[in-house]
Amino acid sequence: DQQVKQNSPSLSVQEGRISILNCDYTNSMFDYFLWYKKYPAEGPTFLISISSIKDKNEDGRFTVFLNKSAKHLSLHIVPSQPGDSAVYFCAASAGGYSTLTFGKGTMLLVSP
Amino acid sequence: EAGVAQSPRYKIIEKRQSVAFWCNPISGHATLYWYQQILGQGPKLLIQFQNNGVVDDSQLPKDRFSAERLKGVDSTLKIQPAKLEDSAVYLCASSLAGDSYNEQFFGPGTRLTVL
Repeated sequence: DQQVKQNSPSLSVQEGRISILNCDYTNSMFDYFLWYKKYPAEGPTFLISISSIKDKNEDGRFTVFLNKSAKHLSLHIVPSQPGDSAVYFCAASAGGYSTLTFGKGTMLLVSP
Repeated sequence: EAGVAQSPRYKIIEKRQSVAFWCNPISGHATLYWYQQILGQGPKLLIQFQNNGVVDDSQLPKDRFSAERLKGVDSTLKIQPAKLEDSAVYLCASSLAGDSYNEQFFGPGTRLTVL
């Protein structure tokens, strides 16, 4: 049973436009959410996170939105750049010392 | 600051053989994680160490997988004997502390192919 779902395996966007990556979760105990970015042959790197007490967190071109009632979060990248082309993983935890549960990832391709 | 180091980067073995992976975390990081990432899936936690003690190994297939963290620094993950379904990338990560608010830093991974 997948507790963190990324239903879009891939997304293609033109440079300069907005990229929106979506993530749904089923476990109501999750209260901390993260996005990781992964380039080929490298390990995932942390991108941005959000606590359940917030509904938005922004860091430069990256913004994460959390809708707790819908158990949905999204990552917005504006403007998208070719260097953003990577696999993006959504992850969640129940806080404290609980472990991270990852989604399957969405491959983003930003074309010039 | 050096990142998380893993070796080897690639390994090809036949089923029923044994294999071991090595991880050197970022200096000073108390918590070390081993993840398994099967193609098309997200990373799945196998085991978490706090210093040299095991915090969570609930998803480690203990009949064939074992892991240790020597002196609370380096760690090895072993598979004996390997099965075809063990083909995956094995990722090591470390963090300053074990709570989920501490950023986990990942190594490049070891890609294992079991034939």
